[in-house]
Amino acid sequence: DAGVIQSPRHEVTEMGQEVTLRCKPISGHNSLFWYRQTMMRGLELLIYFNNNVPIDDSGMPEDRFSAKMPNASFSTLKIQPSEPRDSAVYFCASSLDSPEQFFGPGTRLTVL
Amino acid sequence: EDQVTQSPEALRLQEGESSSLNCSYTVSGLRGLFWYRQDPGKGPEFLFTLYSAGEEKEKERLKATLTKKESFLHITAPKPEDSATYLCAVQASGNTPLVFGKGTRLSVIA
Repeated sequence: DAGVIQSPRHEVTEMGQEVTLRCKPISGHNSLFWYRQTMMRGLELLIYFNNNVPIDDSGMPEDRFSAKMPNASFSTLKIQPSEPRDSAVYFCASSLDSPEQFFGPGTRLTVL
Repeated sequence: EDQVTQSPEALRLQEGESSSLNCSYTVSGLRGLFWYRQDPGKGPEFLFTLYSAGEEKEKERLKATLTKKESFLHITAPKPEDSATYLCAVQASGNTPLVFGKGTRLSVIA
């Protein structure tokens, strides 16, 4: 099993640019979660999907953030425009009818 | 609001020196409490789920216990490879998302 796949692993961009993070969940899993991790705030849930439908996006910090899940095997998290305070590690996780989540390796985002 | 507090923030142990990590929580009806391990540069890795007070789970040198207000992760005779950040998370009743603590960063020195 390949596990949760995220790309890119590292992203460095300049303030104002659009950033797109990608996630492929474990095959057969029906829930997908996007988290952001910083030293100050720890691991925060941004949004989660169940059967490709967004269920709770209350953690999305502002309208600059958007997420989509067009099918069961792919999701994107987009930041437009990006700001330095968006610098963090972004994790994608998936699960199958269980609260036990399986995390990807993360994308380290640096906004200059 | 559901909250999870982990202590200490960081812990440094000598190899073989047993200790415990604490996870205190306030939640409106606990459905489950979860422990994860996170190595540098990697995503969290699931360790245990505890569902009710008095429950215990073990895996190698780790044992997790649960009361109505807190959970402990006991580490017996740790080795350097146990060095990692240990995260605690809770799920409230219903199907709400996990709420994570900030973690305890454990260093085991040979």
